[in-house]
Amino acid sequence: EAGVVQSPRYKIIEKKQPVAFWCNPISGHNTLYWYLQNLGQGPELLIRYENEEAVDDSQLPKDRFSAERLKGVDSTLKIQPAELGDSAVYLCASSLGDGREAFFGQGTRLTVV
Amino acid sequence: GNSVTQMEGPVTLSEEAFLTINCTYTATGYPSLFWYVQYPGEGLQLLLKATKADDKGSNKGFEATYRKETTSFHLEKGSVQVSDSAVYFCALSIYYGQNFVFGPGTRLSVLP
Repeated sequence: EAGVVQSPRYKIIEKKQPVAFWCNPISGHNTLYWYLQNLGQGPELLIRYENEEAVDDSQLPKDRFSAERLKGVDSTLKIQPAELGDSAVYLCASSLGDGREAFFGQGTRLTVV
Repeated sequence: GNSVTQMEGPVTLSEEAFLTINCTYTATGYPSLFWYVQYPGEGLQLLLKATKADDKGSNKGFEATYRKETTSFHLEKGSVQVSDSAVYFCALSIYYGQNFVFGPGTRLSVLP
């Protein structure tokens, strides 16, 4: 069974430019998460989807970040415009929900210069 | 709110030493508990889990027991290997679709 697939693995952009990340979750997983991981820290939730509905986006900086999950499968996370402080690893995960384990992709490492 | 606290790292051990990484949690409901491992340049991988009190999760020689009375889920391994060098994250998730909450991670380095 294929795992969670994220692309790109690495992205370097100049500040004020837009950037987008893509995630394909495990088939059948209705719950999808985007996490932010800063260097040396644990993942912090940005947004959680149940099917196509964003059920928790309280930690998403909505002035510059946006996300969508069309048809309840793939998801994209966008930053516009990017700031230097956005440099981090962006992790996507999926789960069957209800307290069960989440499976993570390899992440996208973003560097804003 | 829900939170996870784990011991500060880095932890440096010699090969075949005994490992303990402490984890305690605070939860408003009845959580499931997890240990995830992150190898350099990789995403998080589930190491083991426990879903109710007194359950013991185990995998690859690692073990952790869900202790409701002490709100703890300490990770142990009897004999570590160089290949165990990684960052270990303790996490919880509440039933009914609550989010995963992660601890800050503990970096383990095992020397030959």
